[in-house]
Amino acid sequence: SQKIEQNSEALNIQEGKTATLTCNYTNYSPAYLQWYRQDPGRGPVFLLLIRENEKEKRKERLKVTFDTTLKQSLFHITASQPADSATYLCALDNGGATNKLIFGTGTLLAVQP
Amino acid sequence: GAGVSQTPSNKVTEKGKYVELRCDPISGHTALYWYRQSLGQGPEFLIYFQGTGAADDSGLPNDRFFAVRPEGSVSTLKIQRTERGDSAVYLCASSLQGNTDTQYFGPGTRLTVL
Repeated sequence: SQKIEQNSEALNIQEGKTATLTCNYTNYSPAYLQWYRQDPGRGPVFLLLIRENEKEKRKERLKVTFDTTLKQSLFHITASQPADSATYLCALDNGGATNKLIFGTGTLLAVQP
Repeated sequence: GAGVSQTPSNKVTEKGKYVELRCDPISGHTALYWYRQSLGQGPEFLIYFQGTGAADDSGLPNDRFFAVRPEGSVSTLKIQRTERGDSAVYLCASSLQGNTDTQYFGPGTRLTVL
């Protein structure tokens, strides 16, 4: 069956360190993968999109990698700050004509000051 | 408006009642999506509109759920004969045209069915 897995446990790190979040998928062949941030009581906010032919994408303190052989994406936040504390969701396209997104369950990141 | 808005922000209803949830997308966005998010889960796709037509309604769980977008802007998600299992946050998102365009999400409507 199709599945998207993210770290189910919360990730606690110290301010200034690099946070690394994992997204693994099975039985999908996505053309692209996206990462979103979600704060409590709010909708997800788009962060980065990486396509299947891209290995790495960067945006300020964020970096995403995409390995279609391993079926895995890693999401890194460097020099993390308490304000980075949130739930981070990965999402795949379903390979169809629409931009229907299939989301993982999300990983809660807590950055301690 | 500046972003996607959804009303009401909270809705409490009794089992068996009918509810309507409204979404105002970003002006000019032709693509509109509805998702449902249960506690501790990621959003789950329900339906996608391109303009006025439902281009993909494969995520609607059953025939109690229906959505419309008559003028290609505002959309209403309608749930008949609500059940306790329908309790969740219903999220709406819009994008400029669809495809790989960024989806902008609203704050959601929290539906509680007693």
